[in-house]
Amino acid sequence: GDKVKQSPSALSLQEGTNSALRCNFSIAATTVQWFLQNPRGSLINLFYLVPGTKENGRLKSAFDSKESYSTLHIRDAQLEDSGTYFCAAESQGGSAKLIFGEGTKLTVSS
Amino acid sequence: DAAVTQKPRYLIKMKGQEAEMKCIPEKGHTAVFWYQQKQSKELKFLIYFQNQQPLDQIDMVKERFSAVCPSSSLCSLGIRTCEAEDSALYLCSSSQSANTEVFFGKGTRLTVV
Repeated sequence: GDKVKQSPSALSLQEGTNSALRCNFSIAATTVQWFLQNPRGSLINLFYLVPGTKENGRLKSAFDSKESYSTLHIRDAQLEDSGTYFCAAESQGGSAKLIFGEGTKLTVSS
Repeated sequence: DAAVTQKPRYLIKMKGQEAEMKCIPEKGHTAVFWYQQKQSKELKFLIYFQNQQPLDQIDMVKERFSAVCPSSSLCSLGIRTCEAEDSALYLCSSSQSANTEVFFGKGTRLTVV
């Protein structure tokens, strides 16, 4: 929705290339989570972030609460990275629910 | 993989019928959330339980759904009278407490015909 804007909405990558996904927040986000949804619908946890950065293998994520955005960097993209990436934020002053972006559909091809 | 279990995985109901789906949160988790997702778009928040008590829910849930967590190890989401627009993937998630990392089950895909 409008509170969490993800970009791009869709992305095609060649194997071995790098890219970045972004979420902009119009809410005061306190924490951010990134998920990968596979074609069967399962949501896989990628990162849980307070302001700062985290890295896990070929993935790196950052959350800047002052500038109200988060990024997810994918290095050396592989076929199995294909799917829909969602960011979600908790809002300061809200309940503990997550507010989701509309997702980035990533297709990695050989 | 986090152990949030949802049943059934697939559910088909006719318009006007009642539907019920269940969720077993990860052991020790006190916060449970339900979300609705249509056509692989963004997840829409439905209701949040903390220690089995509903703390936040949208109007649609108050009006047409029934959601309870009778124990810390079982929650359910029901639709009293299914409508075509209720066709969606219903995802349950849990976290150790409020404001901590959330883990999702595999969902119940409801089709209303």
